[in-house]
Amino acid sequence: AQSVAQPEDQVNVAEGNPLTVKCTYSVSGNPYLFWYVQYPNRGLQFLLKYITGDNLVKGSYGFEAEFNKSQTSFHLKKPSALVSDSALYFCAVRDSNSGNTPLVFGKGTRLSVIA
Amino acid sequence: GAGVSQSPSNKVTEKGKDVELRCDPISGHTALYWYRQSLGQGLEFLIYFQGNSAPDKSGLPSDRFSAERTGGSVSTLTIQRTQQEDSAVYLCASSQRQGQISPYNEQFFGPGTRLTVL
Repeated sequence: AQSVAQPEDQVNVAEGNPLTVKCTYSVSGNPYLFWYVQYPNRGLQFLLKYITGDNLVKGSYGFEAEFNKSQTSFHLKKPSALVSDSALYFCAVRDSNSGNTPLVFGKGTRLSVIA
Repeated sequence: GAGVSQSPSNKVTEKGKDVELRCDPISGHTALYWYRQSLGQGLEFLIYFQGNSAPDKSGLPSDRFSAERTGGSVSTLTIQRTQQEDSAVYLCASSQRQGQISPYNEQFFGPGTRLTVL
């Protein structure tokens, strides 16, 4: 079975500081990993994904994520946070053997960037 | 259209009434998903359509919930005899262009329908 854990319900960071939103996963095969962001009263927007290759993946709005197979993690990072980054962030996973089945999502982490 | 659209954006209903929520996926996407997002919760998978295959209904919480997808495009999620615990945001997503079946296709989400059952 596939699962995702986002251990932090809330992350607070000062504007201009680096931010990290944590995600760990569990799959039986190889993982395909995704990050989505949800702004207030909006649907989820795709940020980035890891399929294969370079462990550091760059995505939209200056975000990046690092795949770590030994730690089964895919933490989302940004070198310098903006107030506009405040939103709800979801990590998701799909097993490489599962076809185009629904993504399994974490419970989400609310990021608050303080000016 | 350019993205996934959902209607209505907001729906307020009385307990016991039936509701229908509509999703119009991105043109050419053959996979369509329904999720439910309750306050303080993550995304709960409800049902999944893939082309002409039988839908995966494993996430539907009760037999009051059903969904159909007509002509491989528009989908309707129906909730019968609504209960207060059905109040949530219902999100629809689509993925995959025809001929590109792949587990690494991301899902594209609509804006959601906020359902409130009084």
